[in-house]
Amino acid sequence: EAQVTQNPRYLITVTGKKLTVTCSQNMNHEYMSWYRQDPGLGLRQIYYSMNVEVTDKGDVPEGYKVSRKEKRNFPLILESPSPNQTSLYFCASSSLVGYSYGYTFGSGTRLTVV
Amino acid sequence: AQSVTQLDSHVSVSEGTPVLLRCNYSSSYSPSLFWYVQHPNKGLQLLLKYTSAATLVKGINGFEAEFKKSETSFHLTKPSAHMSDAAEYFCVVSEMEIPGNQFYFGTGTSLTVIP
Repeated sequence: EAQVTQNPRYLITVTGKKLTVTCSQNMNHEYMSWYRQDPGLGLRQIYYSMNVEVTDKGDVPEGYKVSRKEKRNFPLILESPSPNQTSLYFCASSSLVGYSYGYTFGSGTRLTVV
Repeated sequence: AQSVTQLDSHVSVSEGTPVLLRCNYSSSYSPSLFWYVQHPNKGLQLLLKYTSAATLVKGINGFEAEFKKSETSFHLTKPSAHMSDAAEYFCVVSEMEIPGNQFYFGTGTSLTVIP
């Protein structure tokens, strides 16, 4: 089954404790992206990647890092989480060739930083 | 510049009555347009997409959307609302010609269906 898999689904952590949210897709998509969703603000892009070793900042990259060492994986790293990073996070992927097919989204990770 | 405006943050309809969720976009190129639905505590699911073929697009669960270039609109409709339609709906525009931020999201419309 074609899908984007995010882990974990729920995470509660303390301020300053480094964490990684994993994202993996099995569709051989070139394009992957991370979004955060906050009430009243919709989805805002954090980082995106056009292909392996090619990443760039989205609209709200502060406090986040990403890497794209393999085509299928695109982890989101919070080196020193803060309470304002409490949010619902989505990973998504898309084919650059068939971009008109839209995104496939992961199921989301609800992060709480206390 | 590319942008998406969802004209209503909340829409409330009675079960069995029509649904209209409004979306306007701006685009410098020929866009692809999408509607996604998000049910409570769920991920985003593609409802339908417009990709420069027929301007009236049919999606899942009885939803339709019409691309009107002259009005730069892509409104989502359904003839008869069902309780299971209660969800958040996002209008999205995509421009492959612009590298980088490939998809632009509206801020969402929350649909409530009253029994």
